[in-house]
Amino acid sequence: KAGVTQTPRYLIKTRGQQVTLSCSPISGHRSVSWYQQTPGQGLQFLFEYFSETQRNKGNFPGRFSGRQFSNSRSEMNVSTLELGDSALYLCASSPASDGTLTFGYTFGSGTRLTVV
Amino acid sequence: AQSVTQLDSQVPVFEEAPVELRCNYSSSVSVYLFWYVQYPNQGLQLLLKYLSGSTLVKGINGFEAEFNKSQTSFPLRKSSVHISDTAEYFCAVSDTGTASKLTFGTGTRLQVTL
Repeated sequence: KAGVTQTPRYLIKTRGQQVTLSCSPISGHRSVSWYQQTPGQGLQFLFEYFSETQRNKGNFPGRFSGRQFSNSRSEMNVSTLELGDSALYLCASSPASDGTLTFGYTFGSGTRLTVV
Repeated sequence: AQSVTQLDSQVPVFEEAPVELRCNYSSSVSVYLFWYVQYPNQGLQLLLKYLSGSTLVKGINGFEAEFNKSQTSFPLRKSSVHISDTAEYFCAVSDTGTASKLTFGTGTRLQVTL
């Protein structure tokens, strides 16, 4: 059974550019969440999608957005990149249909974004 | 809102020794509790979770944790660690209402040496 796949694994962008990260959840999983991991702030929740709808959102500026497709694959977009956006972006999926974490989340290996 | 405190940023321990990683949480509502492990250049792997019921939870790789509601703690323990347990360990909490949003602690680096 394939795990959570995130592409690309590494990315280097310039300040002011925008970037799109992709996440393919485990087959059958309908909930996808995104987290940002930095040395200074640790792991912070970005947003969660279920059945193509954003169900929860963290405290990030509007430059951070996401979406989920009908096949549950998800993308997150960051516009007008800043140096502080350099981070490991983790995607996690769960089969949960009612928002509970009975089955827990399975995380991908992340996309390492470096903004220069 | 919830918060998680992992007081120890690093814990050095010798192989085959026992270890306890501390975790305290703060929440005004009922919570679910989790421990995740992160190996270098990898994502997070779920070690164990407490949702309800027995306060002693057993997870993978010989780890266990005990939920203490009165002390709002959820320490992770292992009776005998191995070199391969060297990794970053994260405690996380979610409230049972918005269970899809995890709040993580800052992590504890477990360094196992011979």
